Amino acid sequence: GAVVSQHPSRVICKSGTSVKIECRSLDFQATTMFWYRQFPKKSLMLMATSNEGSKATYEQGVEKDKFLINHASLTLSTLTVTSAHPEDSSFYICSATPREGRIEQYFGPGTRLTVT
Amino acid sequence: GESVGLHLPTLSVQEGDNSIINCAYSNSASDYFIWYKQESGKGPQFIIDIRSNMDKRQGQRVTVLLNKTVKHLSLQIAATQPGDSAVYFCAETERDAGGTSYGKLTFGQGTILTVHP
Repeated sequence: GAVVSQHPSRVICKSGTSVKIECRSLDFQATTMFWYRQFPKKSLMLMATSNEGSKATYEQGVEKDKFLINHASLTLSTLTVTSAHPEDSSFYICSATPREGRIEQYFGPGTRLTVT
Repeated sequence: GESVGLHLPTLSVQEGDNSIINCAYSNSASDYFIWYKQESGKGPQFIIDIRSNMDKRQGQRVTVLLNKTVKHLSLQIAATQPGDSAVYFCAETERDAGGTSYGKLTFGQGTILTVHP
């Protein structure tokens, strides 16, 4: 149980285009989803916290107009990287918690974004 | 915010040896700690957790020790196997102002564990 999927697993896009990454909780309803970014050989950095039906809360330094997050249902959150640039190339990981305020976070397998 | 950090960025051991991975934290309000294992190209995988009211917790081949006095956390892996090779992260969180739920996780920088056959 508690499986989180991400799609796509890998994506290559051209500079200036936008790309959407989906995060789904497959066997539970996720009131809260988190989006992380990870550079090679570095730790996970929280980008934003997303609650179903409300606006995401972004961490300091994360541009909300560039990283659009939508949590339209209890099983789906999307991250759209708008007007992507090579420096946006990274590993993006989502996680989901089954109930608000709970500790458990179940992580997705990650999405490797490469912007050329 | 306060950060969680690791003493050793890399650790290399022989198969069958015991491994110890360390983590220092600075947030005295942290009251819940988790160890994650991340294999290359994958998301973090939960290993074991511990609350601040405990100083030791054991799982299958893994033990987490918590020393709140010096704000130190360690993960011990017994009889390390090649399949244990991965990056290991500690993460911490604390209860929110209302004390009824937990806030976001803060991850340490990670330790690369390499197990040689």
